[in-house]
Amino acid sequence: DTAVSQTPKYLVTQMGNDKSIKCEQNLGHDTMYWYKQDSKKFLKIMFSYNNKELIINETVPNRFSPKSPDKAHLNLHINSLELGDSAVYFCASSQGGPPYEQYFGPGTRLTVT
Amino acid sequence: AQSVTQLDSQVPVFEEAPVELRCNYSSSVSVYLFWYVQYPNQGLQLLLKYLSGSTLVKGINGFEAEFNKSQTSFHLRKPSVHISDTAEYFCAVSPGAGGGADGLTFGKGTHLIIQP
Repeated sequence: DTAVSQTPKYLVTQMGNDKSIKCEQNLGHDTMYWYKQDSKKFLKIMFSYNNKELIINETVPNRFSPKSPDKAHLNLHINSLELGDSAVYFCASSQGGPPYEQYFGPGTRLTVT
Repeated sequence: AQSVTQLDSQVPVFEEAPVELRCNYSSSVSVYLFWYVQYPNQGLQLLLKYLSGSTLVKGINGFEAEFNKSQTSFHLRKPSVHISDTAEYFCAVSPGAGGGADGLTFGKGTHLIIQP
């Protein structure tokens, strides 16, 4: 069984559209995350979320919003897509306490045309 | 806040040769340290981690890393590489207690290229 899964793996869409990426973890972890990997492979956290608190990286545009229907899922909604949103988006999860070792999904490659 | 510096963006190595990938970090608090590997078109896989105790930690696929507190380094090594080790390697830190919400801080990655 896949520990952290994401759908879709590839997403091609036009500027201005709204899209969602789904993430599910079956590890029983308390905290889930979204990371963005740019074209230079740099990874930066966008959000972290547990059942009590959402932490948003201040550099993330408010067009991006995480939504968690339950503890095992953290979906990413993106409104009014822009060319600069093209990247690979990774979902991850970890236990609620230290050392916060994270398990990553396979990634979703988003291409905005 | 933490930061991570991976000193080499790309490291070419001949097959069966040893390799060292360098990582330095800075932090005002104690940290946990990780190395992740990303094979082409895949997600990140944990290679090894340093939490406390012995400064030499062993991971999967024959990799090991040494934590050096005085030099704030956590270099990754492998005594003999294989073609299958070609990948992007990321050093990452997380803060100590209470830092889970901040996620991991990653270095910019080192592309390990194995030459036959």
